[in-house]
Amino acid sequence: DGGITQSPKYLFRKEGQNVTLSCEQNLNHDAMYWYRQDPGQGLRLIYYSQIVNDFQKGDIAEGYSVSREKKESFPLTVTSAQKNPTAFYLCASSKGQGRGWNTEAFFGQGTRLTVV
Amino acid sequence: AQSVTQLDSHVSVSEGTPVLLRCNYSSSYSPSLFWYVQHPNKGLQLLLKYTSAATLVKGINGFEAEFKKSETSFHLTKPSAHMSDAAEYFCVVSAMFSGGYNKLIFGAGTRLAVHP
Repeated sequence: DGGITQSPKYLFRKEGQNVTLSCEQNLNHDAMYWYRQDPGQGLRLIYYSQIVNDFQKGDIAEGYSVSREKKESFPLTVTSAQKNPTAFYLCASSKGQGRGWNTEAFFGQGTRLTVV
Repeated sequence: AQSVTQLDSHVSVSEGTPVLLRCNYSSSYSPSLFWYVQHPNKGLQLLLKYTSAATLVKGINGFEAEFKKSETSFHLTKPSAHMSDAAEYFCVVSAMFSGGYNKLIFGAGTRLAVHP
């Protein structure tokens, strides 16, 4: 089945540690996105990538890093510089450029990160 | 600039009664609009989308939404609520980055509760 797979589902991080969240898609989509979700705040864009080897900062990129070495994969690293990393992280993909149906995004099941 | 406002943070209905979730948008051009649903600790699922075709859009699970340009609204409705409809619902507008790329802007969400 085609879709987006995020792993792990739950992740615990100690203070000062970097952790990496995995996101893989087999939809042959060009565009991939990372969102952070906090209660009552909707989704906020962390990073996005429209093509391989290219990515751009979203609205809340500080303390995060990404890579896009393969079309299928867009891992997110939460660094120690992110002061409040406890949140639900969602990865998404879409066909890419254009308007209308091209902009529909498909989401993974999310990773819940907790600082301990 | 594009934005979206969900007018109710919580909506409570009885099973079998109509559902109305309200959404207003702001867009400097003809927008693409979406409604997504999220069940607890899950990813987001697309309910329906408006992409400048018919103004009344039918989605999955009996939901529909009407695009009203004069009112800049895209309210989500369902004639008869089911217990399984209890979830969080997001209204989303598609915006353009510089360079022609797409960005999804999310409302803060409406939590729907369905009572027996």
